Amino acid sequence: KAGVTQTPRYLIKTRGQQVTLSCSPISGHRSVSWYQQTPGQGLQFLFEYFSETQRNKGNFPGRFSGRQFSNSRSEMNVSTLELGDSALYLCASSLGPVDTQYFGPGTRLTVL
Amino acid sequence: KNEVEQSPQNLTAQEGEFITINCSYSVGISALHWLQQHPGGGIVSLFMLSSGKKKHGRLIATINIQEKHSSLHITASHPRDSAVYICAVGSGNTPLVFGKGTRLSVIA
Repeated sequence: KAGVTQTPRYLIKTRGQQVTLSCSPISGHRSVSWYQQTPGQGLQFLFEYFSETQRNKGNFPGRFSGRQFSNSRSEMNVSTLELGDSALYLCASSLGPVDTQYFGPGTRLTVL
Repeated sequence: KNEVEQSPQNLTAQEGEFITINCSYSVGISALHWLQQHPGGGIVSLFMLSSGKKKHGRLIATINIQEKHSSLHITASHPRDSAVYICAVGSGNTPLVFGKGTRLSVIA
């Protein structure tokens, strides 16, 4: 069974631009969570989706948004990028909200 | 909000040593996760546990719900165990809260 895939793997943007990251969960998994990882803050929760519904949202500004499609694929969008948004963005999928999460390889975003 | 503390932050061990990484949390949980992150970013879920003890190969994870504490043990450590080990806790409908991680280096 294929693992969680994330695209793109690397991305360089400039301040003020927007970006969309994509996550394809393991087949059959209906829950997708997004995390931001930085050297200073570590791993922080962004969003959680289950069956196209956002179940939880982390403490991030409204510039961060996401959605989940009917095939469980998920996207997250960051508008008006700031230097501090440079991070590794990880997606994880699971069968359901309380099951073991399987992480994707991440998208490394650099904002210049 | 749950506070998750891991110790030590950094750990260097000789190959073959027995290693223990600790995790404490402040609020009752339904599950605790141990994750492994190798250089390059990929994260692997090692254990999810809500009580007692789990073993997988040379890795053992224990949890004491009353004391709000968990330990991850690595027996007969090997250089390939070098990674960052992250503890995360969750309860029901709340999202995971992560510790800062323990960076382990095993020297041959």
